[in-house]
Amino acid sequence: QKEVEQNSGPLSVPEGAIASLNCTYSDRGSQSFFWYRQYSGKSPELIMSIYSNGDKEDGRFTAQLNKASQYVSLLIRDSQPSDSATYLCAVMRNNDMRFGAGTRLTVKP
Amino acid sequence: DVKVTQSSRYLVKRTGEKVFLECVQDMDHENMFWYRQDPGLGLRLIYFSYDVKMKEKGDIPEGYSVSREKKERFSLILESASTNQTSMYLCASSSRPAGAVDTQYFGPGTRLTVL
Repeated sequence: QKEVEQNSGPLSVPEGAIASLNCTYSDRGSQSFFWYRQYSGKSPELIMSIYSNGDKEDGRFTAQLNKASQYVSLLIRDSQPSDSATYLCAVMRNNDMRFGAGTRLTVKP
Repeated sequence: DVKVTQSSRYLVKRTGEKVFLECVQDMDHENMFWYRQDPGLGLRLIYFSYDVKMKEKGDIPEGYSVSREKKERFSLILESASTNQTSMYLCASSSRPAGAVDTQYFGPGTRLTVL
């Protein structure tokens, strides 16, 4: 079992729809959770962080964390073609960060 | 804003050459990391450093070494490049505030091709 698992996709949604990206992790001691966006040929950039159970909203993005289920998700509302990218889930315990392989999202105009 | 820079965006080397990849961060971060990223495999940690002159092996250190002589600079060295080291190399840095953890900030990456 991989430490951080994501569906590789591609996930395709129409413009204006909600995109839902999911991630599960194996280490119950994980403390911090992050979502990165990576455009093709570029490096990952941080878009959300979440540390406690529940939802955290930032503009069109909402991160959801359920530590009991070892599950973290990212919702993108009103998806735009510019949101088309690979989204990496990252999980951290102490100073050790583990990344998922990423989900490729395509938003179609 | 955090800025992490890498010495080259694209690099082409021949098998057996010694390769140096340099990374510099300007935010006085304690921690620095080197990853490689390959399709379908995600980010894999090669080496990391929590302080000057300190280094720790990551998940795939074989064939690599690192150097951290100054806090802002972390170098990745391929002693004898091989074709299976063709990859995207990403440097990252993070701070270590007391009682907390901080996320990692990435440089632009170096796409290395070994012929």
